[in-house]
Amino acid sequence: DTGVSQDPRHKITKRGQNVTFRCDPISEHNRLYWYRQTLGQGPEFLTYFQNEAQLEKSRLLSDRFSAERPKGSFSTLEIQRTEQGDSAMYLCASSETGVGTNEQFFGPGTRLTVL
Amino acid sequence: QKEVEQDPGPLSVPEGAIVSLNCTYSNSAFQYFMWYRQYSRKGPELLMYTYSSGNKEDGRFTAQVDKSSKYISLFIRDSQPSDSATYLCAMRSRSQGNLIFGKGTKLSVKP
Repeated sequence: DTGVSQDPRHKITKRGQNVTFRCDPISEHNRLYWYRQTLGQGPEFLTYFQNEAQLEKSRLLSDRFSAERPKGSFSTLEIQRTEQGDSAMYLCASSETGVGTNEQFFGPGTRLTVL
Repeated sequence: QKEVEQDPGPLSVPEGAIVSLNCTYSNSAFQYFMWYRQYSRKGPELLMYTYSSGNKEDGRFTAQVDKSSKYISLFIRDSQPSDSATYLCAMRSRSQGNLIFGKGTKLSVKP
């Protein structure tokens, strides 16, 4: 399967713990995006990378959130000191770069539950 | 007012019906418009991608964009029970990397 993959698919943690999620994009895609989706809402943008450079971060991305894409391939999203309000589906997407492209393809998501 | 408005439904139709799903938006800079289908507890799947105004057809699906009215639509012909899902509209401007999504419309097609 050459689509976007995410790991883990589900994560249950206690409030105050740190969690880390991984995303592997489609191999030829140099842009990688993180979104968060809560029940009954559409995905909300968190941040995105072009290769290893983090180009944009949403105001939703508090200081407790950090994302990396060290070699321009896979990416990690870490949430420190988790809160119950962090419970959501965390979605990763990837795309090519260029005018007229940027069709974003999503992975299956990581569902986070903070107890 | 949110940048993208989408009626969350739910929308229930009989099998074979024509389904019309819609979004309105406020940002006139949006130029790229997408429709995603999302099954329960899965990631969104790209269905249709349209640049600027006009129509695009792919099998049973037709996407329409009316930039003058800031209104986009997705039509599904001969709807099937397997079309039951949440349909998300998404859009972005030329300068943006990220997509702005609607809330999604939950569709149920009854056999």
